Amino acid sequence: EAQVTQNPRYLITVTGKKLTVTCSQNMNHEYMSWYRQDPGLGLRQIYYSMNVEVTDKGDVPEGYKVSRKEKRNFPLILESPSPNQTSLYFCASSPTSGSDTQYFGPGTRLTVL
Amino acid sequence: GDSVTQMEGPVTLSEEAFLTINCTYTATGYPSLFWYVQYPGEGLQLLLKATKADDKGSNKGFEATYRKETTSFHLEKGSVQVSDSAVYFCALTRYNQGGKLIFGQGTELSVKP
Repeated sequence: EAQVTQNPRYLITVTGKKLTVTCSQNMNHEYMSWYRQDPGLGLRQIYYSMNVEVTDKGDVPEGYKVSRKEKRNFPLILESPSPNQTSLYFCASSPTSGSDTQYFGPGTRLTVL
Repeated sequence: GDSVTQMEGPVTLSEEAFLTINCTYTATGYPSLFWYVQYPGEGLQLLLKATKADDKGSNKGFEATYRKETTSFHLEKGSVQVSDSAVYFCALTRYNQGGKLIFGQGTELSVKP
């Protein structure tokens, strides 16, 4: 089944404790991205990747890092999480950046205390 | 910059009622327009899309027409069902924006039997 998977689905952590949210797609898509969803703000892009080893900042990159060492994986790294990073995070992928349709993962609900 | 504005929710309707969720956008050039749906506890799914002016996107009884003169992409359904209860997001993307989707804030729809 073609899908985007994220782990963990739920995470409660404390300020300053490094964490990684994994994202994997099995559709051989070149393009992957991360969004955060906050009430009243919709979804905002954090980082994106056009292909392996090519990443760039989205609209709200502060406090996040990403890597794209393999085509299928695009982990989101929070080196020193803070409470304002409490949010619902979605990974998405598409065949290319110019593709009309993006496929979203199920989401990771992160709480930083 | 580009932006999308949706009507405020929540919207509560009785089963078989007519649904309209308003969406207007601000963007230069000719964006592609989308409606995504998020069912409780799930990720976003593409509901329908339109890539040029006067195009009508449709799926599962939902429709939306790309109106460039009014910069709108209103979502409509003639007869809603309880299973349509979800959050609906209007979004746009432009060709030279690295695949980034710009989302509205989302509109929660609740359909009562």
